[in-house]
This record gives sequence, C-alpha cells and structure tokens, in this order.
Amino acid sequence: EDQVTQSPEALRLQEGESSSLNCSYTVSGLRGLFWYRQDPGKGPEFLFTLYSAGEEKEKERLKATLTKKESFLHITAPKPEDSATYLCAVSGTASKLTFGTGTRLQVTL
Amino acid sequence: ETGVTQTPRHLVMGMTNKKSLKCEQHLGHNAMYWYKQSAKKPLELMFVYNFKEQTENNSVPSRFSPECPNSSHLFLHLHTLQPEDSALYLCASSTSYGADEQFFGPGTRLTVL
Repeated sequence: EDQVTQSPEALRLQEGESSSLNCSYTVSGLRGLFWYRQDPGKGPEFLFTLYSAGEEKEKERLKATLTKKESFLHITAPKPEDSATYLCAVSGTASKLTFGTGTRLQVTL
Repeated sequence: ETGVTQTPRHLVMGMTNKKSLKCEQHLGHNAMYWYKQSAKKPLELMFVYNFKEQTENNSVPSRFSPECPNSSHLFLHLHTLQPEDSALYLCASSTSYGADEQFFGPGTRLTVL
C-alpha cells in the first residue's frame, strides 16, 4: 500500500526565514509526486509534479526536489501570503493519488 | 466559468434528509473524482469516473451514491447520513484516470446534524 508522511505537521516562520518541508513516501512504481497548496476553506491548488529522482522544479519562492524516498519543498524568503497548508501526494501503479496529512505553514511579519 | 466548480459551497442537513452535491468541470477532462477531507486526516478518495464509467469505489458506504451523466458533470447523492460524515467534500478532474495532476474544486462543507 502506498504511503505518504509529511513533516513537520506545522511550521511557523518569520518573513524572509527560509525553510524546507519534507514528504517521505513509499509507492509501488512511482508515476509522479505532486505538491499542492491549500488555503483554509478552499480546494487544493496544484503546484508541481516530479517524475524521477534528481528532478527539480521552481515557482517563485518555491522549489521542489525529489529523491527515491522523499521530496522537499524549499521555501526561500517566504512572505505572509505563502501561509497555507502544503500537501504532498504520490501516484503509483494503482493510478490513484495517495495524500499526506499536510504541513500547515504560517509566515509572520 | 473556468476550472472546477462545486455547489453548494456549504450544506447543513439532518440525518434523515436527502441532498445532492454537484460538480462541473470546464477543462475538457475525462476523469472526475470525489474526495472526502476530514480534519487531521489525508484526503480520502471516494469514487472515480473515467469516460463516464465508474472505475473506483473505495469501500464507500451506500448512503453516498455517485452519478456521472457526462464527462463534465458529477453528482454525489446523500441520504441518511451520520454526523461523522461531516467533512469537506472535494471534486477533482484530470485528463484521464492515472494521468498527471488533478485539478480540484473549492469543495462543499457538509455538516450533518
């Protein structure tokens, strides 16, 4: 059975204080690893797909990386508007997405 | 309208009521999904429709009944729900089942009294 574990559960940063979120996974035949952002009361918003170890993708202050066992979402010089819950999910040979419980990020002034 | 829309956004119902959730996608996708999101739990996949055919039913109780009349519309019919069914119900779509990223609607916040 595919599994995703995200850490930390919650993270509080000051504006400009860079950090990383972790997503550890086990999956049968990785087809893709996905990062989403979810604001309170809203649906998840797609950020990145990573397909193979060593791949990296960037979008504004976010950078996602992938190894054979985990993915990191690096946040550089975050701003208050980056506050949200970040979800990680994997898709394997079973095709369906398996999600983690997310990391709740709060960025303060 | 663009993306994935869901109505209603909020729903309060008694345990004996019957109600329906509606989802519509404007992305030209062929796969649609229902997820349940409860506090402190990962998103739980409930149902998958691919080209209007149900391909997954993730051991969901029969008080939840999905319907997919075409590739753009998905319904979730609710009857005799329990308080533990209170959650955020999310609809998503993708180009096809097993394809890359899924795109989510804003969700329906359901409260069962």
